[in-house]
Amino acid sequence: AQSVTQLGSHVSVSEGALVLLRCNYSSSVPPYLFWYVQYPNQGLQLLLKYTSAATLVKGINGFEAEFKKSETSFHLTKPSAHMSDAAEYFCAVRNYNNNDMRFGAGTRLTVKP
Amino acid sequence: DTAVSQTPKYLVTQMGNDKSIKCEQNLGHDTMYWYKQDSKKFLKIMFSYNNKELIINETVPNRFSPKSPDKAHLNLHINSLELGDSAVYFCASSQSAGTRNTYNEQFFGPGTRLTVL
Repeated sequence: AQSVTQLGSHVSVSEGALVLLRCNYSSSVPPYLFWYVQYPNQGLQLLLKYTSAATLVKGINGFEAEFKKSETSFHLTKPSAHMSDAAEYFCAVRNYNNNDMRFGAGTRLTVKP
Repeated sequence: DTAVSQTPKYLVTQMGNDKSIKCEQNLGHDTMYWYKQDSKKFLKIMFSYNNKELIINETVPNRFSPKSPDKAHLNLHINSLELGDSAVYFCASSQSAGTRNTYNEQFFGPGTRLTVL
């Protein structure tokens, strides 16, 4: 069965600094990978997705992620953090041939002024 | 023009009561889901329905019963509520795997915060 591991339950950066949120996946078949963001008291919103078309995926709000098969990773980055990026971020994996999506435990991003 | 909506947004109730949460999607998707998010933000899939049929049923107490009257609705009924049921419940929807030209990302509702006293 597929799964994801998010390294670091809490990441804190200064405004303007690089954001790096780590995600490693496990899947026996080609995966589809997703990053979602959850702002306080809201539902999850899709940031970006990897579907095998391109290894570097650009998403909303200046985020991007790179699929690295050799490292089984799909880390999320943003060159310059903004205060509004403070939220909970979830990595998720799904096999291409079924609906079962598995989420990581989440990483809380804090942005300091 | 809300894509996935849930009612109510907040639900406060006593132990032992029975309650329902409703979910509707207007995206034309054929698969809907219920997730439970605990106080540590961990998301756990509870149920998945495809074309009104149950296709994922994780280990949840049988006090929880999903009901799908049609493809656009998936309601969650909970009997004999317990303190441990307190959480945020999210409904989501997607197009099913294998559907041409879709990658089946899930769209989430705003959540229902259930508090059992």
